[in-house]
Amino acid sequence: EPEVTQTPSHQVTQMGQEVILRCVPISNHLYFYWYRQILGQKVEFLVSFYNNEISEKSEIFDDQFSVERPDGSNFTLKIRSTKLEDSAMYFCASSDSNSNQPQHFGDGTRLSIL
Amino acid sequence: RKEVEQDPGPFNVPEGATVAFNCTYSNSASQSFFWYRQDCRKEPKLLMSVYSSGNEDGRFTAQLNRASQYISLLIRDSKLSDSATYLCVAWGNTGKLIFGQGTTLQVKP
Repeated sequence: EPEVTQTPSHQVTQMGQEVILRCVPISNHLYFYWYRQILGQKVEFLVSFYNNEISEKSEIFDDQFSVERPDGSNFTLKIRSTKLEDSAMYFCASSDSNSNQPQHFGDGTRLSIL
Repeated sequence: RKEVEQDPGPFNVPEGATVAFNCTYSNSASQSFFWYRQDCRKEPKLLMSVYSSGNEDGRFTAQLNRASQYISLLIRDSKLSDSATYLCVAWGNTGKLIFGQGTTLQVKP
């Protein structure tokens, strides 16, 4: 079964540094998403992406964050000047439609900011 | 009011028991709903979609009541492997998924 893959599985970074989280969505999917989950809290939507542009972003997704699809397979989330509160699991998801379809999640990147 | 609200539990049940989880949502315009399962520190995995007519997949039955804005999940004949957190999820009209806090199930031998 095709799956969404994410790298790295765990990233440890000093506060103030930049990190790039990488995702390879399912190959025939056109809609891409990033979510995050702070330990002990619910999964929160960050951003959706379609046709090489952001479709929607949450309040969390401020100027510190950016997304990019640099080639035909990768989808990245960049966090500039990381803060302690950015520590969380970051999940990438993809779907073949944005109409009532479930999304398939990667196994996440655990980001730890020191 | 939370967009998707669940009783966090935990629900502790013996093997073989039947257990039901409930969920309410606040946005009456939400059109689609899902139950995802999340194991500790893992990604959410789709368990099943939820349809107005109700749907069943093996030991799992999901129901949607649009009038009450209420979703349920019933698990029959619980297995040890069913121990996980069950996430009630609404599909936001713009494509994003809106997650509940999750309900934790612990099935004991």
